[in-house]
Amino acid sequence: VQLVESGGGLVQPGKSLKLSCSASGFTFSSYGMHWIRQAPGKGLDWVAYISSSSGTVYADAVKGRFTISRDNAKNTLYLQLNSLKSEDTAIYYCARWAISRVMDAWGQGASVTVSS
Amino acid sequence: DVVMTQTPVSLSVSLGGQVSISCRSSQSLVHNNGNTYLSWYLQKPGQSPQLLIYKVSNRFSGISDRFSGSGSGTDFTLKISRVEPDDLGVYYCGQGTQYPFTFGSGTKLEIK
Repeated sequence: VQLVESGGGLVQPGKSLKLSCSASGFTFSSYGMHWIRQAPGKGLDWVAYISSSSGTVYADAVKGRFTISRDNAKNTLYLQLNSLKSEDTAIYYCARWAISRVMDAWGQGASVTVSS
Repeated sequence: DVVMTQTPVSLSVSLGGQVSISCRSSQSLVHNNGNTYLSWYLQKPGQSPQLLIYKVSNRFSGISDRFSGSGSGTDFTLKISRVEPDDLGVYYCGQGTQYPFTFGSGTKLEIK
């Protein structure tokens, strides 16, 4: 199982960014997937979830600004980040959701810095 | 939202020693299906989190039996025995019983 995030970078407040998470080593279409973030020096903060059938759930802090999506043909998970704020600065991890309702595989993370 | 409270914030242990980390939830983590979705993760320095324990007491694939989880309802414990240098890092509990999924604030394990 391998998850590789990309698309991070430095972005100005109010701008947008799109993260990708490329999955391999398992049947991507069969699994729900999460985005979790970690602000510098802080703990883990769940962001969003997408089921295998593309149902979605969001944390209140990002609802209406972030969109999680997936392309099963490309084995790729996405997170569209709009109207970014300084408090969105974090490392963003994608993680696989196992049937035991646990995040059993994590990517290495993509760094997002929101600053003018 | 379910608030996960971890204690202690940090602890220091000698190699070969034993430690316990507590995790308490603000609500019962028993799901409607009867399962309790409490898990433990370790984030080693400079790495992404890795799964150690799921559903309170089940060790994930490849995890040493030095790690054990216990508890029920709202009160959970992770025990690490015969501590090794590779065990250092930050330990997080997390709940998957209800949205939004939440994590404890972490316990930093240092080796004396």
